[in-house]
This record gives sequence, C-alpha cells and structure tokens, in this order.
Amino acid sequence: KAGVTQTPRYLIKTRGQQVTLSCSPISGHRSVSWYQQTPGQGLQFLFEYFSETQRNKGNFPGRFSGRQFSNSRSEMNVSTLELGDSALYLCASSYPGTDSNQPQHFGDGTRLSIL
Amino acid sequence: DQQVKQNSPSLSVQEGRISILNCDYTNSMFDYFLWYKKYPAEGPTFLISISSIKDKNEDGRFTVFLNKSAKHLSLHIVPSQPGDSAVYFCAAKDSSYKLIFGSGTRLLVRP
Repeated sequence: KAGVTQTPRYLIKTRGQQVTLSCSPISGHRSVSWYQQTPGQGLQFLFEYFSETQRNKGNFPGRFSGRQFSNSRSEMNVSTLELGDSALYLCASSYPGTDSNQPQHFGDGTRLSIL
Repeated sequence: DQQVKQNSPSLSVQEGRISILNCDYTNSMFDYFLWYKKYPAEGPTFLISISSIKDKNEDGRFTVFLNKSAKHLSLHIVPSQPGDSAVYFCAAKDSSYKLIFGSGTRLLVRP
C-alpha cells in the first residue's frame, strides 16, 4: 500500500515569491493535515482538510492557505515568502471513520529554503 | 505555552536494555496520544497510540503507559536495538483533528 506522497521533495525560492506544495494521501484516507517543522518551533499544525473543507486551522498568517480536491489530494500555498518560512513541510493523512482517534501517517515532507 | 513537553532532549541506552521515553502534557482535554519515530530526511513514522480511556497499550517491543492523574505518558522499548536510534516525538490531540507535538527525544542505542 503506497504511503503519503509529497512533491516536490526540495524547493528553493526567494523572498516575495509564492509556492505550492502537493500531497497525495494514502488510498482511502480522506483527512489531510499539514505541519511545519523548524528547529526553533518544532512540529506545528497548519491546517486540516476533510471532504474538500478546512476543519481546523493553526496559528499561522493568512499567507498560508490550502485546499483539498475531490480525490482527497491536497495542496498548500504560501504567498509572499519570508526567510522565516524556510522549513520542512509535512503532510499527514488519516482514515476518519466515525472515530476521530485515528493515527495520522506522514509523508517525507518538502524541504523549502528561502534565499 | 507548551502543552506537550518532552524534557529529555536525548537518551543513550545499551543494546538489549530497556529504553524509557517520557512525555508530560498540560491539557486535560487531550483524549488520544501517539508516539512517532523520525529518521533524518524522512517523515515521522507512527509507532503506537493510546486512548485516554486506557492506561496501557502494547505492540511487540513497544508499550505506552498513560497516567492521567499525573498527565504523563511514557514509551517503553524492550529490548532496544541499534535500529531504534532515532528522534521520538510524542503527540496529543483533543476533539479536533490537530496533533500537538512535543519537542522530541533523540534516542541512541549503543551496540
């Protein structure tokens, strides 16, 4: 069974640009969450999507946005990039069922570097 | 305000011995707890979880213990193997779908 796939694996951008990251969840998983990992702040929740709707949002500025498609694939967009946006961006998927207590399974992330 | 804390940044144990990783939390609304293992350049790998209605869950060499009164959970790895060397994160969730992560503990298992 294929795992969570994130593309691209590495990305280099300059300040002021915008970027789109992609995530394909495990087949059958309908919930997709995004996290940012930095050395200073650790793993922080960005947002979560289910059935093309954002259900939860973390404490990030509006420059960070996302969407989910009908096939559960998700994209995350960051506009007006800042140096502090350099991080590993991780996507996780889970099978929601009727029980919200399901483990989230992570992809290997996209390493974003801002110059 | 850190809601999930892993106070030991690193831990070193001998191969074959027990590894005990600890995690404390402050939010009494957390109802589900998870442990993840992370190797460099890879995403976190799910290891084991426990619901707040239980106090122990076991899966092979991995056992998670939950002490709700102390707001403390621990991961026991027995016996420890060199391949277990990685960074371990504990995470917790409330009724929402977001996970709150600790800062991680780097485990080194010495041959």
